[in-house]
Amino acid sequence: KQEVTQIPAALSVPEGENLVLNCSFTDSAIYNLQWFRQDPGKGLTSLLLIQSSQREQTSGRLNASLDKSSGRSTLYIAASQPGDSATYLCAVHPGNTPLVFGKGTRLSVIA
Amino acid sequence: DVKVTQSSRYLVKRTGEKVFLECVQDMDHENMFWYRQDPGLGLRLIYFSYDVKMKEKGDIPEGYSVSREKKERFSLILESASTNQTSMYLCASSPPTSGATYEQYFGPGTRLTVT
Repeated sequence: KQEVTQIPAALSVPEGENLVLNCSFTDSAIYNLQWFRQDPGKGLTSLLLIQSSQREQTSGRLNASLDKSSGRSTLYIAASQPGDSATYLCAVHPGNTPLVFGKGTRLSVIA
Repeated sequence: DVKVTQSSRYLVKRTGEKVFLECVQDMDHENMFWYRQDPGLGLRLIYFSYDVKMKEKGDIPEGYSVSREKKERFSLILESASTNQTSMYLCASSPPTSGATYEQYFGPGTRLTVT
């Protein structure tokens, strides 16, 4: 059964720092991996989707990488800002079943 | 842009009440999903549907039922609400393709409190 793990569960950094969030999954047979952002009390907003054939995707200050063979993905946030404070979740698409989610990393960017 | 809407942002119900949570999407998506989210437990899938009048149990279907009479609408029903169903409920939808471009879209969530 596919399992997705995100470490650390929480992270606090000073404003301006570059940071990396980690996501690992146990079964490399995935179609894609999706990174989401969730603000407190709100729904999930899709940030980036990396197809299984891709190595990375970029959107503004965000860069997501995927190493399918090792079961890992990272979300890189450059020059962090207080507005980046949120919970970040990753999810893998196994194909014939719904997405499998990690529990998220709660990020706090301190001004 | 894909829009997924949920009927209420906040809801307070009494134990034993029948509760309806409504979700509507405007992108003609085949797939719709209901999750609940609790601190420390993450997102857990309750039910999902791949088409009108079809439903599949997720990981935690006990105490819930669903209805999908129209493609755009997916309802979650708590037949007799209990305090352990106090949670954030999230609805999502996705296109039918099961491939590399598959992407899921979420609604804003409903915070349900059962007293």
